Amino acid sequence: DTGVSQNPRHKITKRGQNVTFRCDPISEHNRLYWYRQTLGQGPEFLTYFQNEAQLEKSRLLSDRFSAERPKGSFSTLEIQRTEQGDSAMYLCASTPPRGSSYNSPLHFGNGTRLTVT
Amino acid sequence: DAKTTQPPSMDCAEGRAANLPCNHSTISGNEYVYWYRQIHSQGPQYIIHGLKNNETNEMASLIITEDRKSSTLILPHATLRDTAVYYCIVRVASEDDKIIFGKGTRLHILP
Repeated sequence: DTGVSQNPRHKITKRGQNVTFRCDPISEHNRLYWYRQTLGQGPEFLTYFQNEAQLEKSRLLSDRFSAERPKGSFSTLEIQRTEQGDSAMYLCASTPPRGSSYNSPLHFGNGTRLTVT
Repeated sequence: DAKTTQPPSMDCAEGRAANLPCNHSTISGNEYVYWYRQIHSQGPQYIIHGLKNNETNEMASLIITEDRKSSTLILPHATLRDTAVYYCIVRVASEDDKIIFGKGTRLHILP
């Protein structure tokens, strides 16, 4: 399967613990996005990378959240000192370089569902 | 904020055409209309997009009004597997930037 891959699919953690999620985008997609989705809501934008550079961060991304994409390929999203309000689905998406396809849709993974107890 | 308005839910009988409306009265000239859907426990899936002409692909048809203030996604022969939340999104083509989701329309296909 050459789609966007996210691991783990599910994560249960206790409040106060740190968690890390991984996203592997489609090969040669240089742009990578993280979204968060709570029950009954549409996905909310968190942050965006072009290659290894983090170009935009939403105000939703508190200082307990950090995202990296060290080699411009896979990305990680870490949440420190988790809170119950962090319980959500965390989605990753990727899209190819701007020049190759002008209106490239975002390709989403199936997400990591985080439950904080 | 999302720039589109959609009904929160709709029902459609299996085998019939599902017509999902979307209002985007403040759309700008360089903004495209995109449709995604999200089946339970999966990530959003791209369906189709268009600027001003009607578009058709293997999944659906997109009808955009002449003034571009509204559009309709048509699933010609709905099946139970089309049960999902459908999101209508406007997006500036030149920036190829993030997309902003609204709450979408929850489509129930009835057997």
